Amino acid sequence: EVQLVESGGGLVQPGGSLRLSCAASGFTFSSYWMHWVRQAPGKGLVWVSRINSDGSSTSYADSVKGRFTISRDNAKNTLYLQMNSLRAEDTAVYYCARDLIAAAGDFDYWGQGTLVTVSS
Amino acid sequence: SSELTQDPAVSVALGQTVRITCQGDSLRSYYASWYQQKPGQAPVLVIYGKNNRPSGIPDRFSGSSSGNTASLTITGAQAEDEADYYCNSRDSSGNHPGVVFGGGTKLTVL
Repeated sequence: EVQLVESGGGLVQPGGSLRLSCAASGFTFSSYWMHWVRQAPGKGLVWVSRINSDGSSTSYADSVKGRFTISRDNAKNTLYLQMNSLRAEDTAVYYCARDLIAAAGDFDYWGQGTLVTVSS
Repeated sequence: SSELTQDPAVSVALGQTVRITCQGDSLRSYYASWYQQKPGQAPVLVIYGKNNRPSGIPDRFSGSSSGNTASLTITGAQAEDEADYYCNSRDSSGNHPGVVFGGGTKLTVL
């Protein structure tokens, strides 16, 4: 059974940092592109970042470019999102998602999400 | 970056057919995927590619595309279909391709 389990969310002050993790199981993690998607309270889904299967290529939404870094450890079947210089507008539930077909944006499995709250 | 536009809200009578649309320039080059999200839950993929349904998705869900518009059709809507629906597609603008989501459509089943 495919599972994606996010962790690392919490309350952080503006300007602070947080690292999210997404533990994958039930599939060959190293074969799939992975993404982070966020959803602010009461708002819609917003794509954040993606990484290709071997970690050699990444892409970011303009709103997080230069502040967030996506990475993966295929030996540990884990996806990461390092978030620096956090702002109030980064407050959201963060989901990791598997891309069914590389780069197509077809997210066939999602984690349950982890809440990040940026507030003083 | 590209944008995808969805109607904020749509309603349908129980058992009737409803179409939810998604418009954007990226849809001229790429197929849309569609997601269903119920309150407090993670999104679920319901349609991807030309018109593909993941395992477990009822066949009352179908997808189509024409020009810059993608559509999700629910034929014979059920009460359990009441949810938020999001489209997305690949976004090839910029140096590093990403993904773009529509703003979502809240479907009410009357």
